[in-house]
Amino acid sequence: ETGVTQTPRHLVMGMTNKKSLKCEQHLGHNAMYWYKQSAKKPLELMFVYNFKEQTENNSVPSRFSPECPNSSHLFLHLHTLQPEDSALYLCASSQEGGAGQPQHFGDGTRLSIL
Amino acid sequence: EDQVTQSPEALRLQEGESSSLNCSYTVSGLRGLFWYRQDPGKGPEFLFTLYSAGEEKEKERLKATLTKKESFLHITAPKPEDSATYLCAVQATPEKGGSEKLVFGKGTKLTVNP
Repeated sequence: ETGVTQTPRHLVMGMTNKKSLKCEQHLGHNAMYWYKQSAKKPLELMFVYNFKEQTENNSVPSRFSPECPNSSHLFLHLHTLQPEDSALYLCASSQEGGAGQPQHFGDGTRLSIL
Repeated sequence: EDQVTQSPEALRLQEGESSSLNCSYTVSGLRGLFWYRQDPGKGPEFLFTLYSAGEEKEKERLKATLTKKESFLHITAPKPEDSATYLCAVQATPEKGGSEKLVFGKGTKLTVNP
């Protein structure tokens, strides 16, 4: 496989459920990102990991818990979500350390909270 | 605070009718301006990076230009397959110890009719 792969592509869950989103990149990058994309809003950065270390938490509620076991894998653990958390969750990766390195995105997980 | 404003929000063109999309930005220390294309149900696809005022990049029917305050994405003789949402993002010089973050605009939804 090539690029950035996200699973599942679609997820429906109740507010009391616990689920996880998975992201894997095959680009040899060392930085990974979680974004939230809602209708009529710009992409919102949630978390940044560089070389497996979290370097950014953009005031994200604790019901979202990221995990980065290595530079190729990123997870987003979800629990007790709210209806307003329904959105497209995008994972991206880039080569850290250079100015203006583009981020490459997966196709996202469409999350619906009942 | 870094800001990105894209206009228009939506644009309808006839096949072959050239036009331009605008991305205005305010950022302290630009490290790069990025253009992405996003198709429905997909993640953003990287198109171009521009680093300094006066720079231009081309790819097929698309040409991106950059000034100190804005960027344009020119579309020459568009085809229906160019229909997508075009996203602009800027990367600023990070604060000490900070991450390489992208700040996105809301996008321009382009529809090209045959």
